[in-house]
Amino acid sequence: GQNIDQPTEMTATEGAIVQINCTYQTSGFNGLFWYQQHAGEAPTFLSYNVLDGLEEKGRFSSFLSRSKGYSYLLLKELQMKDSASYLCAVRLPGSGGYNKLIFGAGTRLAVHP
Amino acid sequence: EAGVAQSPRYKIIEKRQSVAFWCNPISGHATLYWYQQILGQGPKLLIQFQNNGVVDDSQLPKDRFSAERLKGVDSTLKIQPAKLEDSAVYLCASSFNNRGVLTDTQYFGPGTRLTVL
Repeated sequence: GQNIDQPTEMTATEGAIVQINCTYQTSGFNGLFWYQQHAGEAPTFLSYNVLDGLEEKGRFSSFLSRSKGYSYLLLKELQMKDSASYLCAVRLPGSGGYNKLIFGAGTRLAVHP
Repeated sequence: EAGVAQSPRYKIIEKRQSVAFWCNPISGHATLYWYQQILGQGPKLLIQFQNNGVVDDSQLPKDRFSAERLKGVDSTLKIQPAKLEDSAVYLCASSFNNRGVLTDTQYFGPGTRLTVL
């Protein structure tokens, strides 16, 4: 089966740095996505890793180690608006060249003043 | 650029009733997805279309759920009859072209929140 694990909840202080970890055991791997989802809203794309290493995009960075089945999302200079759920998703290869995403349950981040 | 549109945003029905959801993807996106997101869980793929053909429906409960994308643009998802455990948010997403494109990114609509009483 496919398994993606993330912490259920995290709290952090405004202005600080937080790291959200994701580990996965899947049959196949074609990349890892991070999405942000505010309560009652749609997931929005944050980042994508297919090769090992760090991808930086403004205040957000994402890291991938394929050999360890491990990724993290790093959020710097936290703002109150960063309070949301963060979803880790693995892209799996399918038949006919198509892919599909398998999501973790998400990590609920609460940012406090 | 307009995003993925879904309607209705909210729906309350009684068990054993039927319900339908509508999705209009981003213009030019060939791939369309329907997900079910139960409270506290990540989205679960129900069905994936490439143009008007089904690519993956392995997790669609076909005894009660059906979906179509007849003209390769907008899509409908139907539940008949609904059960209590169908209470969830139904998300529609689209992407430019899933096939063989590793950087293909999915964009989600606002979802339909279904409550089955």
